[in-house]
Amino acid sequence: GQQVMQIPQYQHVQEGEDFTTYCNSSTTLSNIQWYKQRPGGHPVFLIQLVKSGEVKKQKRLTFQFGEAKKNSSLHITATQTTDVGTYFCARAGNNRKLIWGLGTSLAVNP
Amino acid sequence: EAQVTQNPRYLITVTGKKLTVTCSQNMNHEYMSWYRQDPGLGLRQIYYSMNVEVTDKGDVPEGYKVSRKEKRNFPLILESPSPNQTSLYFCASIRRGQAGYEQYFGPGTRLTVT
Repeated sequence: GQQVMQIPQYQHVQEGEDFTTYCNSSTTLSNIQWYKQRPGGHPVFLIQLVKSGEVKKQKRLTFQFGEAKKNSSLHITATQTTDVGTYFCARAGNNRKLIWGLGTSLAVNP
Repeated sequence: EAQVTQNPRYLITVTGKKLTVTCSQNMNHEYMSWYRQDPGLGLRQIYYSMNVEVTDKGDVPEGYKVSRKEKRNFPLILESPSPNQTSLYFCASIRRGQAGYEQYFGPGTRLTVT
């Protein structure tokens, strides 16, 4: 129903390789947010996407919102060890509630 | 510095012994929320508060209480903790951004109930 599905659950890459995580919904999303949680840390807000087809970049991170507003992706170019962590997407629910995906855990081999 | 603080950061307690986890934010946000995070289950909302004296249940409120007597503080109360409440707890303060609500999390409280 309201859930957002994230794939893959885990990803292990060599430093310098690219990484992509996907967030999918069966219903149209009003917006999608992305958060990063480092090991032992707390989730940190990265970005929010609102418009159909929107693409935003933050240095090596590229965020996309699908044309149908049912999916989103986060792509990291040339991963570094500082990218290690779990990346969550979250969709807006009722009463300012966020409905969270289960996250993609990224491990980077130096 | 804008921040959300939680105390304690770590707590080991026994079944049935009442405890309170404090949460405080200095950003003057109206909206705050409590989550628990468990392996394989992600982040689940326990309670949220839309303003002073306004609170409501999230997805997993059983066994928890909250209060919001002032805007900056939103304590989480476990009246009679049980082992299934062993978890990592996060408080979040929510800012209204340009097109939605951005959540700012505290550092977390790792609770173990034996």
